[in-house]
Amino acid sequence: EPEVTQTPSHQVTQMGQEVILRCVPISNHLYFYWYRQILGQKVEFLVSFYNNEISEKSEIFDDQFSVERPDGSNFTLKIRSTKLEDSAMYFCASSEARTQNTEAFFGQGTRLTVV
Amino acid sequence: AQKITQTQPGMFVQEKEAVTLDCTYDTSDPSYGLFWYKQPSSGEMIFLIYQGSYDQQNATEGRYSLNFQKARKSANLVISASQLGDSAMYFCAMRTTDSWGKLQFGAGTQVVVTP
Repeated sequence: EPEVTQTPSHQVTQMGQEVILRCVPISNHLYFYWYRQILGQKVEFLVSFYNNEISEKSEIFDDQFSVERPDGSNFTLKIRSTKLEDSAMYFCASSEARTQNTEAFFGQGTRLTVV
Repeated sequence: AQKITQTQPGMFVQEKEAVTLDCTYDTSDPSYGLFWYKQPSSGEMIFLIYQGSYDQQNATEGRYSLNFQKARKSANLVISASQLGDSAMYFCAMRTTDSWGKLQFGAGTQVVVTP
C-alpha cells in the first residue's frame, strides 16, 4: 500500500540552526501538508501546498518556515533558525484532492528536538 | 470559525468491552468531513474512519463505528470489543470545503485498555 515517508525519524539540533525535514508524499497525490504536534498537545496545521505554491498557512507558519517541492517527489519543510519552542513532532500529509471527503494520509512523523 | 472538541482527556476500558469517545464540532459550512485518527505511543497517525456531512448512514469500519448526530453536531467513535492494541491517543478531526483541505484536530482522548 502506498504511504507517506518522512526522514529523519528523529532530529536533534542546536538552537539557531537550520533544519530541513523531508517527506515523500504518495505519488499521485496533489495536495501536501505539514502539521505539528508539541508533546502532549493537539495536532496543529502549519501549511498546505498545491501546484508548487502555498495555498494556506497558519499563524504558526511565520517567516522562519518555508516549504518546497524541489523535485517531483520530495516535499520539504525548512526552519531557518530553530527555537526551543519548535521542538515537536512534525507530520507530513498528502491527499488526492482537497474535498471534505478525501482522506489525508500521514507520514510517521519527524520528532524534532531543539537544544 | 471551525472548532473540534473532545472533552474526555483519558479513559480506561477493559479488554473486550466497548468504548465511546466523544467528539463535537462547530462549523457553518454545510459540507464537511469528520475523521478519526489513532496515534499509538510510537507516534504515527493512523486513519480509522470517515463520516461525511451528507452521509445518511453512520460509518462503520470493522470494530470502529461512528455515532453521527448531525443536529447535535457530534461524531462519537465507538470501538467495540476493545483489544490491548487499542491503547492509544485518538483524535477527531474535521475538514470543510472553505479551506485547502486542511484538517482541524481536537485535543485527543487517551485510551488505555486493561486486561
